[in-house]
Amino acid sequence: NAGVTQTPKFQVLKTGQSMTLQCAQDMNHNSMYWYRQDPGMGLRLIYYSASEGTTDKGEVPNGYNVSRLNKREFSLRLESAAPSQTSVYFCASRQTRTGQLSGNTIYFGEGSWLTVV
Amino acid sequence: DQQVKQNSPSLSVQEGRISILNCDYTNSMFDYFLWYKKYPAEGPTFLISISSIKDKNEDGRFTVFLNKSAKHLSLHIVPSQPGDSAVYFCAAPDGDSNYQLIWGAGTKLIIKP
Repeated sequence: NAGVTQTPKFQVLKTGQSMTLQCAQDMNHNSMYWYRQDPGMGLRLIYYSASEGTTDKGEVPNGYNVSRLNKREFSLRLESAAPSQTSVYFCASRQTRTGQLSGNTIYFGEGSWLTVV
Repeated sequence: DQQVKQNSPSLSVQEGRISILNCDYTNSMFDYFLWYKKYPAEGPTFLISISSIKDKNEDGRFTVFLNKSAKHLSLHIVPSQPGDSAVYFCAAPDGDSNYQLIWGAGTKLIIKP
């Protein structure tokens, strides 16, 4: 029962380098998310994909791009890494049912620790 | 403007006692609230939720109370155990978008033996 799997778990980048964080979920959820967590800031939404084929900006999208490759996979790309992007990144998924109170539970991956030097 | 606020960054409680974590919100349109628990080096995991049509929801040692007039909810853990030491986040679905959740900044709970 894998749930949400994200890779890599740890990465050190030099300023200006690019990289892609991979995420896959096996729960057949329609919505997927990328968050970052910084000390004292809670979880901030970078991008989300409400359904396969759609992506939307969240609260802090600058410096990032995403691809919803298929229903299972949602990747996050840093084109030119900056020290301000040093953070813990969480991928998440959720089965969203418009108009219903249920289905709001969001499931997270274990996190990816990214350091940009 | 933070729509969901957890004003206590940390809380220390003696093992066996009650832990009370608080969360305030500003948007009266929020109709569902969730609590998540996060251990270091792990992703957050769902703990308990409450609908705005209720004022209390209980699951074992965990109870969430909702006071809509005060726009306040609280998570009670009784009795507190060492394994409860974690960061707790409250969240609410964004009323404008069913796809986004609005998160509090989290409260770090430390259970002392």
